Amino acid sequence: DQQVKQNSPSLSVQEGRISILNCDYTNSMFDYFLWYKKYPAEGPTFLISISSIKDKNEDGRFTVFLNKSAKHLSLHIVPSQPGDSAVYFCAASALYKLIFGTGTRLQVFP
Amino acid sequence: EPEVTQTPSHQVTQMGQEVILRCVPISNHLYFYWYRQILGQKVEFLVSFYNNEISEKSEIFDDQFSVERPDGSNFTLKIRSTKLEDSAMYFCASKVDRGINQPQHFGDGTRLSIL
Repeated sequence: DQQVKQNSPSLSVQEGRISILNCDYTNSMFDYFLWYKKYPAEGPTFLISISSIKDKNEDGRFTVFLNKSAKHLSLHIVPSQPGDSAVYFCAASALYKLIFGTGTRLQVFP
Repeated sequence: EPEVTQTPSHQVTQMGQEVILRCVPISNHLYFYWYRQILGQKVEFLVSFYNNEISEKSEIFDDQFSVERPDGSNFTLKIRSTKLEDSAMYFCASKVDRGINQPQHFGDGTRLSIL
């Protein structure tokens, strides 16, 4: 079951630069997407979401873009900070459940 | 900020034994969920629960699994006869209402180790 895919297992970015995390999905019925951040030994923390009626949602340093025709979404973090270093999960909402991607480990170095 | 709390943080159990994982969802939330993450793999949905009924369950959630909301605050996951492959992080989540455009909020998980 690969309905939500994050093809980059890791990403390394310098502090102050932009981090771009990508996610692809296969089911065109998905209409709500979320990004979660996860630190070791903690649960996923909700970061930002987007409904399929929008193509962009912004919250402070975080912006999520949705391209429905390509079935692709991305999370932009600007500027990146060392505290952003974590695993980022993309998820799609399917009625009663979330379907997660495999995650991208972001490392922000000074 | 209100949060989902899970106990214990780590549970070690012999294969074949019963285990109960406990969760206290956010107080005004109505929808409850269990997910698990096997080491190195993705977070997988197990079950969703609303109004004292299971709304949806995955194929992982077989007859060995059950959920219960025994009182107004707790939400439990029981595994009747644990297997080695049940070793994973188990996350509880809750959501405020039925609205599809609402995020689920997760606890910090219980690490279940089956020996």
